[in-house]
Amino acid sequence: KNEVEQSPQNLTAQEGEFITINCSYSVGISALHWLQQHPGGGIVSLFMLSSGKKKHGRLIATINIQEKHSSLHITASHPRDSAVYICAVSQGESNYQLIWGAGTKLIIKP
Amino acid sequence: DTGVSQDPRHKITKRGQNVTFRCDPISEHNRLYWYRQTLGQGPEFLTYFQNEAQLEKSRLLSDRFSAERPKGSFSTLEIQRTEQGDSAMYLCASSSYGYQETQYFGPGTRLLVL
Repeated sequence: KNEVEQSPQNLTAQEGEFITINCSYSVGISALHWLQQHPGGGIVSLFMLSSGKKKHGRLIATINIQEKHSSLHITASHPRDSAVYICAVSQGESNYQLIWGAGTKLIIKP
Repeated sequence: DTGVSQDPRHKITKRGQNVTFRCDPISEHNRLYWYRQTLGQGPEFLTYFQNEAQLEKSRLLSDRFSAERPKGSFSTLEIQRTEQGDSAMYLCASSSYGYQETQYFGPGTRLLVL
């Protein structure tokens, strides 16, 4: 069993739909990260959180430490949101040893 | 553009050849990381520098892999005697020093070993 698991692996939705991507982890963590990877490889850090909820524009990330679960939500989805969304956790003081999920490939159709 | 840059963006080589990739981090960042990502998988940590010192090296990094950051600025990752299993996206990231620092990623170098 992977230490960080995401669901779903693939998600296709229509423009405007509310999107939820889930991440569960089985190890103790100091922080959880959500990252976005567009075709071609570039990775952008979206959120780093260790408790509660964070919001940036149409993106919302939540984490439940007791349940070892996090969700990434996208409101009013748009085709430009199409990307791979990756959940990763860090365990120590520094986050260089990130443990990565396999990613969720999101396609938003116009 | 003041982000992380990598060169080349794509590399095709024959098995057995040596390849070298370069990463230029964000200028004020003193931490630099190399990751490898194969299709359908999340990135795997390879190695990490703080300034010019290589502080951590993954067990994934065989003796054929070597990384340097001679002046604490840009870094190179060399793969000797490439194998088909080395085909992957090689990602570089940089961050500033501090607790739970955010890593900023470059666009990656996609390697194909024939």
